[in-house]
Amino acid sequence: GAGVSQSPRYKVAKRGQDVALRCDPISGHVSLFWYQQALGQGPEFLTYFQNEAQLDKSGLPSDRFFAERPEGSVSTLKIQRTQQEDSAVYLCASSLGGGRNTEAFFGQGTRLTVV
Amino acid sequence: SQQGEEDPQALSIQEGENATMNCSYKTSINNLQWYRQNSGRGLVHLILIRSNEREKHSGRLRVTLDTSKKSSSLLITASRAADTASYFCATTPPFSAGNNRKLIWGLGTSLAVNP
Repeated sequence: GAGVSQSPRYKVAKRGQDVALRCDPISGHVSLFWYQQALGQGPEFLTYFQNEAQLDKSGLPSDRFFAERPEGSVSTLKIQRTQQEDSAVYLCASSLGGGRNTEAFFGQGTRLTVV
Repeated sequence: SQQGEEDPQALSIQEGENATMNCSYKTSINNLQWYRQNSGRGLVHLILIRSNEREKHSGRLRVTLDTSKKSSSLLITASRAADTASYFCATTPPFSAGNNRKLIWGLGTSLAVNP
């Protein structure tokens, strides 16, 4: 389909393992966002890209979290040395423009479980 | 950090009845958006209302915004079983916030529509 695609859908990681989560935004979408959603909570902002530029990473919880979008399309969220508190659904969203009044389209998310 | 608070936290109604959910937020906004989330389709954008608008309609949805009270409501008329989902409000910051494009989310209202 033409929506936002995330992979893998589910990931189980042992504590201390590194993980990489992939997001394929809708083709041509300038803006890309990563959010973290804990069970029973609303999403929490992690980081924002406009094309390949990471304009806001204020929501990344620690230096173990790193995101990139090197060619302004696909993005990867990497978590190093995973901890149990990293268990959550990681959501990627893209929007056509860089403005605030544009609709964001979300992927189905990657459910990360750290054991 | 969550910006919005939805109430009620959970709502159970019969098919055909109307459902009203409220959202309050804390800081200045550029716009407010409502999203629906269920396990089948993930997060789906429903409607966006700008800070200079007071009411907006889309099909069976009616959204109001009162910036003086920092609150919004979502009304779903003639509800259907397929409306069963969690509903979230999310706000975007004003233009004065520079590159800040993140959506700040509430905790959501869980709606159950019984056939």
